[in-house]
Amino acid sequence: AQRVTQPEKLLSVFKGAPVELKCNYSYSGSPELFWYVQYSRQRLQLLLRHISRESIKGFTADLNKGETSFHLKKPFAQEEDSAMYYCALSLYNTDKLIFGTGTRLQVFP
Amino acid sequence: NAGVTQTPKFRILKIGQSMTLQCTQDMNHNYMYWYRQDPGMGLKLIYYSVGAGITDKGEVPNGYNVSRSTTEDFPLRLELAAPSQTSVYFCASTKPHRDALAGYTFGSGTRLTVV
Repeated sequence: AQRVTQPEKLLSVFKGAPVELKCNYSYSGSPELFWYVQYSRQRLQLLLRHISRESIKGFTADLNKGETSFHLKKPFAQEEDSAMYYCALSLYNTDKLIFGTGTRLQVFP
Repeated sequence: NAGVTQTPKFRILKIGQSMTLQCTQDMNHNYMYWYRQDPGMGLKLIYYSVGAGITDKGEVPNGYNVSRSTTEDFPLRLELAAPSQTSVYFCASTKPHRDALAGYTFGSGTRLTVV
C-alpha cells in the first residue's frame, strides 16, 4: 500500500541552525514526491517537487530511491520558516496525492 | 486571478443537519479534489474528479457526496452531519498528469464544527 511517513510531529530549532524534516514513502511504482507548506492562517502551497530539483526559500530535497526517502533540508533556518510541512506522494497516472501527517517546524529567535 | 475559492470559511452545524461546501476554480483545471485535515492525521482524500461529470471516491468518502456539473465547480455535500465530520476541509485543483507536476492549488479551507 502507498504510504508517506513523517516521523516527527514537531521539530524545534534556533534561528541559524540546520533543519532536516524527514519523509519516507512506500510505493511500488515510480514515485513523484512533493513538499507542501502551510504557514499560519494561510492555505497549503507547493514548496518543492522532486522532479524539478530546485531550491525554494533555501530548502532542498533529494529523492533517495534506495532509502525511499525525500527529506527536506535547509542549512540555516529562519524564523519565517516556522510552519507546518507536509510531504506528499503523487500516484502515477492518477494525480491523487497521499499526504504524510505533517511536521510542525518551530524556529526560535 | 482568484485561483481556488472555498465558501464558507467557517460553519457550525448541529448533528443531523446538512450543508454544501462550495469550491470553484478559475484556472480551467480538469482535476479537482476534496481533502479533510484533522490534527495529527494529515490530509485525507474524500472525493476527486478528473473532469465534468466524473467523480470518484477517495480514502474517506463515507458521509459525503460530490457532483461536478461544470469544470469550475466541485461542491461537497454533507447530508447528515456527525461530530466525526468536524474538521478543516480543503479543495484543490490541478492540471492533468504531466502538467500536474506543477502541483496542486489549494483553497483557503472551510473550518466545520458539528455539535
